[in-house]
Amino acid sequence: GAVVSQHPSWVICKSGTSVKIECRSLDFQATTMFWYRQFPKQSLMLMATSNEGSKATYEQGVEKDKFLINHASLTLSTLTVTSAHPEDSSFYICSSDRGLDTDTQYFGPGTRLTVL
Amino acid sequence: SQKIEQNSEALNIQEGKTATLTCNYTNYSPAYLQWYRQDPGRGPVFLLLIRENEKEKRKERLKVTFDTTLKQSLFHITASQPADSATYLCALPPSGYNKLIFGAGTRLAVHP
Repeated sequence: GAVVSQHPSWVICKSGTSVKIECRSLDFQATTMFWYRQFPKQSLMLMATSNEGSKATYEQGVEKDKFLINHASLTLSTLTVTSAHPEDSSFYICSSDRGLDTDTQYFGPGTRLTVL
Repeated sequence: SQKIEQNSEALNIQEGKTATLTCNYTNYSPAYLQWYRQDPGRGPVFLLLIRENEKEKRKERLKVTFDTTLKQSLFHITASQPADSATYLCALPPSGYNKLIFGAGTRLAVHP
């Protein structure tokens, strides 16, 4: 089956620093990737749609200058949380639909971000 | 407003029984609905997809129904096992988009 990886699996940083999270498709080319955020005991909230070679599409209420998304290749999308604050502490998960099979999402294992 | 509602209370059942989870939605007309399993600290894993023209879908011990009139999907796990303990999420695509919107999930605990 399709595999999506994320790196790092967890990160702790100081307030004010920036953190980059990588999402890779390991056995398929991902023209589209999705970034979600999940707070404890809450649902996955879609943050943005990352499109290879073009600008990301952000959901309402998500600051594009704070959550920078780069999708420079067909196998890699990155999410950078800039000037992180404690309220940005969350579980960040990426997914992709593989392109050919557009109805099923394949999720990465997630990245736990803790901002001190 | 648009909503996807799943029972927020945990469902506790005895091993061997059938677990039934509910997903209700409001002000959506999805072409399909999906169910995912999520274990603590992990990303969701796809289980089943059911389309609007399908009433029921089965996969091994899993069964999903989809009632577009009631705007409801039911997810059943028969002969439940402790290994089935997890949070189960329903998800659907907002009209015209290829992205997914998720419900908050229902935690299932299967006791030996």
